[in-house]
Amino acid sequence: EPEVTQTPSHQVTQMGQEVILRCVPISNHLYFYWYRQILGQKVEFLVSFYNNEISEKSEIFDDQFSVERPDGSNFTLKIRSTKLEDSAMYFCASSERGNLAKNIQYFGAGTRLSVL
Amino acid sequence: AQKITQTQPGMFVQEKEAVTLDCTYDTSDPSYGLFWYKQPSSGEMIFLIYQGSYDQQNATEGRYSLNFQKARKSANLVISASQLGDSAMYFCAMREGTSGNTGKLIFGQGTTLQVKP
Repeated sequence: EPEVTQTPSHQVTQMGQEVILRCVPISNHLYFYWYRQILGQKVEFLVSFYNNEISEKSEIFDDQFSVERPDGSNFTLKIRSTKLEDSAMYFCASSERGNLAKNIQYFGAGTRLSVL
Repeated sequence: AQKITQTQPGMFVQEKEAVTLDCTYDTSDPSYGLFWYKQPSSGEMIFLIYQGSYDQQNATEGRYSLNFQKARKSANLVISASQLGDSAMYFCAMREGTSGNTGKLIFGQGTTLQVKP
């Protein structure tokens, strides 16, 4: 069964460092998303991406964040200068379509980011 | 205002019994989708079941069913014949149809379910 793959599973970094979280969405999916979940809290939307551009971003997704689809398979989230409060689980998701209410998003297993 | 409310932070159920996890939502969009995801202790998010706002029948997927009451804006998840492996956090989420290409999901706070042997 196709699945969304995220690497690494755990990333430890020093405050102020840049990190890149990587995702390989399901191959025939066209819509890509990043969410984050601070420990013990609900999952929050960060950004959606379609047709090589950002469709929507939340207020969390400030200038420190960027997304990219560098090739036909990878989808990355970059945090330029990490802060302590960026420590969270980051989920990548993908869906075949995005323009319908029925839009099942399949999630990866997440990358746990720890900023020290 | 909260768009998705899950009022039960934690629930217990005896193995083999049924359990209902509550979810209420708030939207003025006539077209929306409601989703339930399971998050085991390992952390991944697993899609369980979907209900569309225009669906006439309640969704079912194996042991999962969704008790959709549109007028009350509730979309409760029912798990029948609970198994030990059902112990996890469960999230209710909504996607509003007018969000165009964004497709973002709005999540509730989650309910932790523990199945007792």
